[in-house]
Amino acid sequence: KAGVTQTPRYLIKTRGQQVTLSCSPISGHRSVSWYQQTPGQGLQFLFEYFSETQRNKGNFPGRFSGRQFSNSRSEMNVSTLELGDSALYLCASSLSRGRMNTEAFFGQGTRLTVV
Amino acid sequence: AQKVTQAQTEISVVEKEDVTLDCVYETRDTTYYLFWYKQPPSGELVFLIRRNSFDEQNEISGRYSWNFQKSTSSFNFTITASQVVDSAVYFCALSGNQAGTALIFGKGTTLSVSS
Repeated sequence: KAGVTQTPRYLIKTRGQQVTLSCSPISGHRSVSWYQQTPGQGLQFLFEYFSETQRNKGNFPGRFSGRQFSNSRSEMNVSTLELGDSALYLCASSLSRGRMNTEAFFGQGTRLTVV
Repeated sequence: AQKVTQAQTEISVVEKEDVTLDCVYETRDTTYYLFWYKQPPSGELVFLIRRNSFDEQNEISGRYSWNFQKSTSSFNFTITASQVVDSAVYFCALSGNQAGTALIFGKGTTLSVSS
């Protein structure tokens, strides 16, 4: 069974640009969550999508957005990039029956560097 | 508010030593879930265990064991006879009704096992 796949693995962008990251969850998983990992703030929850609907959202500015497609694949977008957006972005998929917190399986992440 | 504290930032041990990683959590939820993840240098978070708040039984899986004590709000993780391959960053995480399906992570403990 294939794991969670995130593309691209590495990305370098310039301040002010926008970026789109992609995540393909484990087959059969309908919940996809996104996390930002930085040395200073650690792992922080961005948002979660379930059946194409945003079900939960963390405390991030509106420049961070996402969506989920009918095949459960998800994308997250960051507009008007800032230096502080440099981070490892991790995607997690889970079965998530109803709102039960089943275990989340993570991808290898996308390392975004903003210069 | 929900919070996870991993007071140990870094631990260094020699192979075959036992090591315990501490995790203390705060939540007002009566139903919640606790997790441990391992993050090797490759970046992905590897799921190790999930425990719900009603199950205080300790668990052992090979060289790994977990001690959950609601009275002290702790969920500690012990590696017996550590090996070099155990070197990684270990994260404790919490989820509950307050944060929906979001995982609240501790800052992580970096474990270095030398031969």
